[in-house]
Amino acid sequence: GAGVSQTPSNKVTEKGKYVELRCDPISGHTALYWYRQSLGQGPEFLIYFQGTGAADDSGLPNDRFFAVRPEGSVSTLKIQRTERGDSAVYLCASSLAGTGHNEQFFGPGTRLTVL
Amino acid sequence: KQEVTQIPAALSVPEGENLVLNCSFTDSAIYNLQWFRQDPGKGLTSLLLIQSSQREQTSGRLNASLDKSSGRSTLYIAASQPGDSATYLCAVTGANNLFFGTGTRLTVIP
Repeated sequence: GAGVSQTPSNKVTEKGKYVELRCDPISGHTALYWYRQSLGQGPEFLIYFQGTGAADDSGLPNDRFFAVRPEGSVSTLKIQRTERGDSAVYLCASSLAGTGHNEQFFGPGTRLTVL
Repeated sequence: KQEVTQIPAALSVPEGENLVLNCSFTDSAIYNLQWFRQDPGKGLTSLLLIQSSQREQTSGRLNASLDKSSGRSTLYIAASQPGDSATYLCAVTGANNLFFGTGTRLTVIP
């Protein structure tokens, strides 16, 4: 595709529910990143995939958060037992390779609201 | 841990003015530095990427400089236009991810 796409664009859920957020990276990009942006803040790193494997998940806040990328393309961020503090914009980015020299391209984000 | 700071947090200028946005970072061991633009409710648009070995990059009315040893970068916008109104984010690249500042919210007044 032309760019990184994310679905849904908005998600409203109730506290305690489970949600899945999807990211389609740019075709051919082997590296994929998830970030979370709270209101008035810059994005914060959650997890980085190189191919199918999570190369760095040090940014995941707790074990309620999990992400997969089973075929090395589309990725899903999964949040269990959602809390109001999880409300934020979740951004996905991809790059050609996972070295720090490569530019990251961002999707439009998914705005998650936990009531 | 890398800390990225952007000053000022907000800036209002009349149309046509030149302006400078500032970014500083605490750890000079970076791969590159990116400047992004974010419109309200939207994702990030990459404006300029400066590799760690470079000193500056230019794109149209935008010029970004990098002084890695002092941990500073500036984004210069020439002849500002109302369409430049947005939040500008600076980010530095570590081994696996970007570290972002909190942004400068720019308003260009017609």
